[in-house]
Amino acid sequence: NAGVTQTPKFQVLKTGQSMTLQCAQDMNHNSMYWYRQDPGMGLRLIYYSASEGTTDKGEVPNGYNVSRLNKREFSLRLESAAPSQTSVYFCASSLTPTRYNEQFFGPGTRLTVL
Amino acid sequence: AQSVTQLDSHVSVSEGTPVLLRCNYSSSYSPSLFWYVQHPNKGLQLLLKYTSAATLVKGINGFEAEFKKSETSFHLTKPSAHMSDAAEYFCVVSEGEYGNKLVFGAGTILRVKS
Repeated sequence: NAGVTQTPKFQVLKTGQSMTLQCAQDMNHNSMYWYRQDPGMGLRLIYYSASEGTTDKGEVPNGYNVSRLNKREFSLRLESAAPSQTSVYFCASSLTPTRYNEQFFGPGTRLTVL
Repeated sequence: AQSVTQLDSHVSVSEGTPVLLRCNYSSSYSPSLFWYVQHPNKGLQLLLKYTSAATLVKGINGFEAEFKKSETSFHLTKPSAHMSDAAEYFCVVSEGEYGNKLVFGAGTILRVKS
């Protein structure tokens, strides 16, 4: 039982390049989330998927797109990377999208945009 | 709108002494509250959660927190610090029945001196 996995662990991009961050969970959770973590700001929600087939914007969605590929997988795409997107990205999942269920986090992807 | 304020960005204690990490929240509805811990270069791990049951919540590794509605606080405590407790701690609030959008505090870095 791996929990939440993310690939890659590290990535360096040049401004304007694109990439997709992959996330998968094996806990049969319905809801999945993408966050970014910047120093002194905690984690901020980029996008979330309350259930398979749905996605919604979070607090900081600009410059990102997501795809809920199936119940297990939720990907985050940067179409044209900018230095402001240098951050650590975390994927998370929860059993259902209610306040009663905690979220389980992956190990993170450290992205640098030059 | 919900928000979280962690009152100390850094806390330093000696091994074997008590730990107190302070958190105040703002929420329009009945909130759920969580404490997560993040060790260096790792993902986030749930320490404990409050979801409107008992106001004193016990978590892993000897941590506990008390929900005080009148003070809008959810402070994290531990009677005796261990070197392995050195990490960053996040207080998190979630409200509403659906969507489960977590709002993170900025984090408190705990240093444990030998």
